[in-house]
Amino acid sequence: EDQVTQSPEALRLQEGESSSLNCSYTVSGLRGLFWYRQDPGKGPEFLFTLYSAGEEKEKERLKATLTKKESFLHITAPKPEDSATYLCAASSGAGSYQLTFGKGTKLSVIP
Amino acid sequence: DTAVSQTPKYLVTQMGNDKSIKCEQNLGHDTMYWYKQDSKKFLKIMFSYNNKELIINETVPNRFSPKSPDKAHLNLHINSLELGDSAVYFCASSHGGGETEAFFGQGTRLTVV
Repeated sequence: EDQVTQSPEALRLQEGESSSLNCSYTVSGLRGLFWYRQDPGKGPEFLFTLYSAGEEKEKERLKATLTKKESFLHITAPKPEDSATYLCAASSGAGSYQLTFGKGTKLSVIP
Repeated sequence: DTAVSQTPKYLVTQMGNDKSIKCEQNLGHDTMYWYKQDSKKFLKIMFSYNNKELIINETVPNRFSPKSPDKAHLNLHINSLELGDSAVYFCASSHGGGETEAFFGQGTRLTVV
């Protein structure tokens, strides 16, 4: 059974204090590793897709990286508006039509 | 221009009632999903439809019945609602299967009293 584990569950950062969120995955035949951002009362908002180990993607203060067992979401010089829950999800196997989500990391950036 | 829209956003109902949640996507995607997010914010797949055909039906009580009248719509009907059904239900869509990102609606918060 596919498993996605995220750590830490919650993270408080001072504005400007860079850090990383971890996503460990155990899937058979990774097809894609996805990062989403979810604000309270809203649906998950797509951020990145990573397909193979060594791949990196960036968007503003966020950078996602992928190894064969983990993915990291690096946040550089975060701002209060980066506060949200960040979700990691994986899809696996041929003909997969679902995402297996981790439980998320709730990020709070304090001014 | 909302890509994936669900109605209603909030639904409060009594135990034993039957209710429906509607979902529509205007992205031209061929795959649609229903996910359930519990009180601990954990998102779990319930159903996946590809080209109106049911692909995935996770261990969900058969009181939950999805219906896809066309590729742009996937509705969720729930019979005999129970307290434990209280959660946020998200509709999503994607192009193809798990190799592409899914786009989510804003969610329907269902409260059973």
